[in-house]
Amino acid sequence: GQNIDQPTEMTATEGAIVQINCTYQTSGFNGLFWYQQHAGEAPTFLSYNVLDGLEEKGRFSSFLSRSKGYSYLLLKELQMKDSASYLCALMDSNYQLIWGAGTKLIIKP
Amino acid sequence: EADIYQTPRYLVIGTGKKITLECSQTMGHDKMYWYQQDPGMELHLIHYSYGVNSTEKGDLSSESTVSRIRTEHFPLTLESARPSHTSQYLCASAGGGDSNEQFFGPGTRLTVL
Repeated sequence: GQNIDQPTEMTATEGAIVQINCTYQTSGFNGLFWYQQHAGEAPTFLSYNVLDGLEEKGRFSSFLSRSKGYSYLLLKELQMKDSASYLCALMDSNYQLIWGAGTKLIIKP
Repeated sequence: EADIYQTPRYLVIGTGKKITLECSQTMGHDKMYWYQQDPGMELHLIHYSYGVNSTEKGDLSSESTVSRIRTEHFPLTLESARPSHTSQYLCASAGGGDSNEQFFGPGTRLTVL
């Protein structure tokens, strides 16, 4: 079966850097997604990794290690608007997304 | 502008009523999905479709049905609403290609009394 683990909640300071980890177990793998979800809103796409390594997109970067079943989302120069839940999602062998419960990120001034 | 729409945004309804949640997308995507999400919890796949006249059940059995008669339209119907159906319902679509990125509608928040 599949399983995704990510921390429930993290706190960081405005202007700082935070790394949100995601570990997974799966028998089939077709990529790993990160989405941002503000309270009461729909998820919005942040990044997609299918090969090992780091993908950088502005203040956000995402890393994948398939052999370790591990990914992280790195957020730099944190802003108050970055306060949200960050969802890790695994695309399985049937091209369905299996979602983690999300990490609630709290940004303090 | 290409987008994905859901109506209604909020719905309060009594037990036993039949309801249909609407979802439409203007991006020409073949793949469409319905998810259920409770506050602070993960998304659970209810139904999905890979094209017209194609529908499949997801992992979460919610006593609902879907139809895909047109590419752009993917309605979800609850034949008899129950309080346990109270949740946020999210519709998404994907165009395939290399990323399979899913685009989400704004959601329907359903309350069954």
